Amino acid sequence: QSALTQPRSVSGSPGQSVTISCTGTSSDVGGYDYVSWYQQHPGKVPKVMIYDVSKRPSGVPDRFSGSKSGNTASLTISGLQAEDEADYYCCSYAGSYSWVFGGGTKLTVL
Amino acid sequence: EVQLVQSGAEVKKPGESLKISCKGSGYSFTSYWIGWVRQMPGKGLDWMGIIYPGDSDTRYSPSFQGQVTISADKSISTAYLQWSSLKASDTAMYYCARIRGSTGYYEYWGQGTLVTVSS
Repeated sequence: QSALTQPRSVSGSPGQSVTISCTGTSSDVGGYDYVSWYQQHPGKVPKVMIYDVSKRPSGVPDRFSGSKSGNTASLTISGLQAEDEADYYCCSYAGSYSWVFGGGTKLTVL
Repeated sequence: EVQLVQSGAEVKKPGESLKISCKGSGYSFTSYWIGWVRQMPGKGLDWMGIIYPGDSDTRYSPSFQGQVTISADKSISTAYLQWSSLKASDTAMYYCARIRGSTGYYEYWGQGTLVTVSS
């Protein structure tokens, strides 16, 4: 059960869009529509931003969207804001009541 | 209001045992899986395992199987993570989180318990 692969860092200017990828295998990302994304600000608790690939919990801005193609899931943040600067982690169900997280991506808002 | 309240920070020596807790409130504790997640200093999130407090069904990540024990006491709505012999490499923040559904996402998180293992 290897960690999902995410870019170490991405960046964008305010107002721009950025996309963070999350690559797994057919045993996790590709096998289930149960990918979630978490935002974590320094020293804070992770917060779910997207679940079931593309659904947003109540209260999460619609600037955040998710998608999946094959073994790769993606989180897109449009209209970047300074407060979006954080670490982002993907997570996938991997069968038999197990999950796997991605290595995390640091988003810098320039 | 759903809340998961974890026990306080711990400082231990290598070889010592430890049990940290996660108390749920504001919902039916026995009806939702609880997961444990490790975050080593400056690192990412690692999935450790889960427990269903209703019947104590427990699953572990292969990376943590045999290294930790996850348990729950439904009478006091509390889940536990324990070590029998700590190592310096166990130094990390540990989070509990309630899982939405049986294949779902980590919906509510505890505030985290910092475990420091140092001689």
